[in-house]
Amino acid sequence: KQEVTQIPAALSVPEGENLVLNCSFTDSAIYNLQWFRQDPGKGLTSLLLIQSSQREQTSGRLNASLDKSSGRSTLYIAASQPGDSATYLCAVLSNDYKLSFGAGTTVTVRA
Amino acid sequence: NAGVTQTPKFQVLKTGQSMTLQCAQDMNHEYMSWYRQDPGMGLRLIHYSVGAGITDQGEVPNGYNVSRSTTEDFPLRLLSAAPSQTSVYFCASIKRVGGDTEAFFGQGTRLTVV
Repeated sequence: KQEVTQIPAALSVPEGENLVLNCSFTDSAIYNLQWFRQDPGKGLTSLLLIQSSQREQTSGRLNASLDKSSGRSTLYIAASQPGDSATYLCAVLSNDYKLSFGAGTTVTVRA
Repeated sequence: NAGVTQTPKFQVLKTGQSMTLQCAQDMNHEYMSWYRQDPGMGLRLIHYSVGAGITDQGEVPNGYNVSRSTTEDFPLRLLSAAPSQTSVYFCASIKRVGGDTEAFFGQGTRLTVV
């Protein structure tokens, strides 16, 4: 069974600081890894998608890396802003087409 | 292109009542699934389907039924609602094009069982 762990569970930083969110998974037989953002009481917004053949993806201030062999992904958010405050979820799509989620990292960016 | 549509967005049920959560996608995706989200536990897989007529159980299937008569629709049925089923429910479909895959989610259904 795929197990996904996100560390830390919560993070509070001053505005302008860079954010580093970690995700680890136990089974490397995956199709892809997706990072989602979730605001309180809202749905999931896809941020970055990394296919299993890729090493990283970038979108604006966001960069995500994937090391499939070691079962790790890292999401970097540069120059954080108060609007980045949310919960970030890591999801792994295994080869049986089941998505497994971490419990999330709740980020607070202080103005 | 509407993507994945869930209805209703909010629902309050009394213990023992039954209801169906609707999920529809217009992207012709074969793979669809249902998740529940509880505080501090992330999203957990309830049931999934790899195509019309084929369904299987996920991590937390008890108390829920599904069917998949068409590619577009994947309803989730609660036969006799219990307070433990109070949760936010998300439906997802997975695009598969060549070797690339991507998951798409509905906006969720917030269910309260009293």
